[in-house]
Amino acid sequence: GQSLEQPSEVTAVEGAIVQINCTYQTSGFYGLSWYQQHDGGAPTFLSYNALDGLEETGRFSSFLSRSDSYGYLLLQELQMKDSASYFCAVRDQSGANNLFFGTGTRLTVIP
Amino acid sequence: KAGVTQTPRYLIKTRGQQVTLSCSPISGHRSVSWYQQTPGQGLQFLFEYFSETQRNKGNFPGRFSGRQFSNSRSEMNVSTLELGDSALYLCASSLEGTKNIQYFGAGTRLSVL
Repeated sequence: GQSLEQPSEVTAVEGAIVQINCTYQTSGFYGLSWYQQHDGGAPTFLSYNALDGLEETGRFSSFLSRSDSYGYLLLQELQMKDSASYFCAVRDQSGANNLFFGTGTRLTVIP
Repeated sequence: KAGVTQTPRYLIKTRGQQVTLSCSPISGHRSVSWYQQTPGQGLQFLFEYFSETQRNKGNFPGRFSGRQFSNSRSEMNVSTLELGDSALYLCASSLEGTKNIQYFGAGTRLSVL
């Protein structure tokens, strides 16, 4: 089957850097994605890694190591509005369009 | 470009009833997926439709069903509601070839009493 593990909660200070890790297990790998979800809101796409290495999008970066079945989301210059849940996700191992999500990491940014 | 629209936003039903939720994808998106989100189980895939055909299905009982219309709009139906069906139901649309990028609607929050 598939499994994704990520920490349940992370707290960080405004202006700091935080890293949210994700380890995955899946028989067919089609890339690792990250989504953000504010309380009461819809998940929104943040980043996608298909190959090893770092992808940077503004204050957010995502890293993937396929040999380690591991990735992380890096948030820099944290702002209060970054307080949200962050989910890593892989495509279904059959290669279909649906995503298999991790249980999410709740990030709390404190002043 | 309008985003994914889900209606209604909130629903209250009683056990044994049935419910139909609606989703209008982003214009041009032909793939529509449905997810159930609960505090205990997180985001779980229900099914995906593409060109009016169910292309993939998650591990949910047959009480959960869906369909897609020629304009890519989709509905999901839950029959014989149970208390455990209380959840946020999210619809997501995507373009073929964009793989992991899905665009979610705000969801329908269903409460079963």
